[in-house]
Amino acid sequence: EPEVTQTPSHQVTQMGQEVILRCVPISNHLYFYWYRQILGQKVEFLVSFYNNEISEKSEIFDDQFSVERPDGSNFTLKIRSTKLEDSAMYFCASSDGEKLFFGSGTQLSVL
Amino acid sequence: GQNIDQPTEMTATEGAIVQINCTYQTSGFNGLFWYQQHAGEAPTFLSYNVLDGLEEKGRFSSFLSRSKGYSYLLLKELQMKDSASYLCAVRDHSGYSTLTFGKGTMLLVSP
Repeated sequence: EPEVTQTPSHQVTQMGQEVILRCVPISNHLYFYWYRQILGQKVEFLVSFYNNEISEKSEIFDDQFSVERPDGSNFTLKIRSTKLEDSAMYFCASSDGEKLFFGSGTQLSVL
Repeated sequence: GQNIDQPTEMTATEGAIVQINCTYQTSGFNGLFWYQQHAGEAPTFLSYNVLDGLEEKGRFSSFLSRSKGYSYLLLKELQMKDSASYLCAVRDHSGYSTLTFGKGTMLLVSP
C-alpha cells in the first residue's frame, strides 16, 4: 500500500540552527501538508501546498518556516533559527482530495 | 474559527462497546473525520462523514448530525490494541482538504 515517508525519524539540533525535514508524499496525490504535535497536545495544522504553491497556512507558520517541492517527489519543511518551543513531532501528510494520509513523523528536539 | 470538543479520556473493557463523542463549531464544514493515533505514531484514518447518518466499517462506525454539530465514533468488540487516542477532525470549506483536529480522546481498554 502506498505510504507517505519522512526523513529523518529523529532530529536533534541546537537552538538557532536551521533544520530541513523531508517528506515523500504518495505519488498520485496533489495536496500536501505539514502538521506538528507538541508532546501531549493536539495535532496542529501548519501549511498546505497545492499546485506548487502554499494554499493555506496557520498563524504558527510565520517567516521562520518555509516549504518547498524541489522536485517531483520531495516536499520539505525548513525551519530557520530554531527555538526551544519548536520541539515537536512534525507530520507530513498528502491527500487525494478526500482523505489525508500521514507519514510516521520526524521528532525534532531543539536543545 | 474552529472549536472541536471531545472527552479527554475514556476507559472500557475488552469485548465491550464504547462511544466517543465530538462536538464542533466551525466557520465552514466539508466533512468530519476520525483518526486513530497510538502513542508516538502517526494518525491513521478510520472514517469519514460528510452527510448526516451512520457510516459503518467493520468494528467501527461513525455518526454525523450537521445541524447539531455532533459526531460520534462507535467501537464494538473492543480489543486491547484499540487502546489509543481517537482524534476528531473537521475539514473546512476551502477545498484544500485541510483538517482541524480536536485534542483527542485517550481510550484505555482493560482486560
